[in-house]
Parts: sequence; structure tokens; C-alpha cells
Amino acid sequence: NAGVTQTPKFQVLKTGQSMTLQCAQDMNHEYMSWYRQDPGMGLRLIHYSVGAGITDQGEVPNGYNVSRSTTEDFPLRLLSAAPSQTSVYFCASRLTGTGSYEQYFGPGTRLTVT
Amino acid sequence: LAKTTQPISMDSYEGQEVNITCSHNNIATNDYITWYQQFPSQGPRFIIQGYKTKVTNEVASLFIPADRKSSTLSLPRVSLSDTAVYYCLVGDYTGNQFYFGTGTSLTVIP
Repeated sequence: NAGVTQTPKFQVLKTGQSMTLQCAQDMNHEYMSWYRQDPGMGLRLIHYSVGAGITDQGEVPNGYNVSRSTTEDFPLRLLSAAPSQTSVYFCASRLTGTGSYEQYFGPGTRLTVT
Repeated sequence: LAKTTQPISMDSYEGQEVNITCSHNNIATNDYITWYQQFPSQGPRFIIQGYKTKVTNEVASLFIPADRKSSTLSLPRVSLSDTAVYYCLVGDYTGNQFYFGTGTSLTVIP
């Protein structure tokens, strides 16, 4: 298994540009989520999904859109990038219905908005 | 979600036992506690989870008192490779949302 993969690893955007951060998992996990981590801070939940076609907001959803058309993929879209969105973005997935709350994290995407 | 409070940093010598305590005063009845480890430039990695009393796995133990307002992660005989940031998380019973907090930066000294 490749686990949770994220692309790209690094990205530089200009203010106002749009882009999509990709996240995929091959573990058949129903739950997937996106976090952002700012320097010296913990991770903050942006959006999450409990299955294909179902998404919900986390702690910091403004400026981000998500969709979940398949179990494997959970892309994060920035419609109009702002410098405040400069951060490291992590995607995670989890198997539900087992009593385990273990999340598997991807390697992250480092985004800089100038 | 209950907020968590941890010491910002800790130092320990190699081979010693390390205990990291997390405060979560507003934990709800059905909330769970999990701990993660994060190395620089990597995503967090799950260590252990618990609801009450004591849980032990091959790498750590988790102690949760009866009132569940705090929890303590115990790492036995740490090595240099245990130098990392450790996060205590409180999650709702659905497992859909977790609060990460700022974590504890552990430095293991030779």
C-alpha cells in the first residue's frame, strides 16, 4: 500500500490564483480530512469527509472548498489564494467503525502565497 | 471540542522514562484521547488512544485519571530518535473532529 499520498510537495502561488491540492489513499478508508499547520503551531482541521459525496467543515474552512466523488480521492481547492493561506497542508484518512481513532497522515504540501 | 494544554517543551536524557501531561478540562463524556508524534517535515504519526484508566501498547502507555480532565503519555527508555513534537488530541465520539493544540517539543539528550 502507498498509504496517503499528496501532490504537489511544494507550490508557490501569487495572490488571487487558484489551485487544487491532491490527496489520495489506497486503504479504502471512509474518513478523510485536510489540516493546515502554520509555523510553530499545531494542526487545524479545514474540512473532512465521512464518505463519497459527504463533506463537512472543520475549524478553519473559509477560503477552501472540497468534494469527495470517490472513496480514494479528497482534493482541496483554493479558489483565490491569499498570503494568509501560506502553510503546510496535511491530508489524513481513517478507517471508521472499528473503535480506532488512528489517522494516517500524508507527507504534506508546503504552500507559499506571495 | 475540548481544548488541550501541554508543556511547550521538555528535555530528557537517553534511557530515561518521559511523562508528558496534557490538560483537557472541558472533555465531554464521550470524547476520546489520542496522542500523535510528529518529526520535522513529516505528517503526524499515531501513538496511542484511550478513554479512561490505563492503556499500553508496544511503544507507550497512556494514563487517564477517573475525572478524565488530564492524561499522561509515558515513553519508556527514550532514545535520540524519540526527539519530536508530541500532540495530545481530544476527539468527539464520532472521530470526525480533533483539536490538536500546540504540542510538546521533546528533546532527548545523549
